[in-house]
Amino acid sequence: KAGVTQTPRYLIKTRGQQVTLSCSPISGHRSVSWYQQTPGQGLQFLFEYFSETQRNKGNFPGRFSGRQFSNSRSEMNVSTLELGDSALYLCASSLDFHNEQFFGPGTRLTVL
Amino acid sequence: GQQVMQIPQYQHVQEGEDFTTYCNSSTTLSNIQWYKQRPGGHPVFLIQLVKSGEVKKQKRLTFQFGEAKKNSSLHITATQTTDVGTYFCAAPTNNAGNMLTFGGGTRLMVKP
Repeated sequence: KAGVTQTPRYLIKTRGQQVTLSCSPISGHRSVSWYQQTPGQGLQFLFEYFSETQRNKGNFPGRFSGRQFSNSRSEMNVSTLELGDSALYLCASSLDFHNEQFFGPGTRLTVL
Repeated sequence: GQQVMQIPQYQHVQEGEDFTTYCNSSTTLSNIQWYKQRPGGHPVFLIQLVKSGEVKKQKRLTFQFGEAKKNSSLHITATQTTDVGTYFCAAPTNNAGNMLTFGGGTRLMVKP
């Protein structure tokens, strides 16, 4: 079974731009979660989608948004990028509720 | 909101020595999960503990869930250089999906 894939793997953007990251979960997994990982704040939950509906949302500003498609693939969007948005963005898929999460390799975003 | 505290932040050990990382929560947890992230990699699920007082072993790794379901530990016996990485505990933030609150992680360094 193929693992979780994320594209692109690396991105460099400048302040004020917007970015879209993509995640393809493991086949059959309907839950997709997004996390931001930084050295200072650690792993922080952004949002979770299940069957195209946002099921949970973390404490991030509205500049961070996401969506899930009918094939369970998910995208997250960050608008008006700030320097502090530089981070590793990790996507994780799960079969269902309170199950182990399978993480993708992440997208390393650098904002200049 | 829910917080999961993890100590220590860093641990240097000589190869062959034992290692333990601890997680504590102020609230009762429905379950706790452990992940390992190798340098430059992404978190990989190790185990999930659900029952009060549960102890699970994976080769040299021993995982425990406290009787009150508020704390957990991971113990590695006779560390090897392949154990290098950051170990995270994570717990569901609510009962409505897969939103996880991660501990700050313990970075393990092993001297050969």
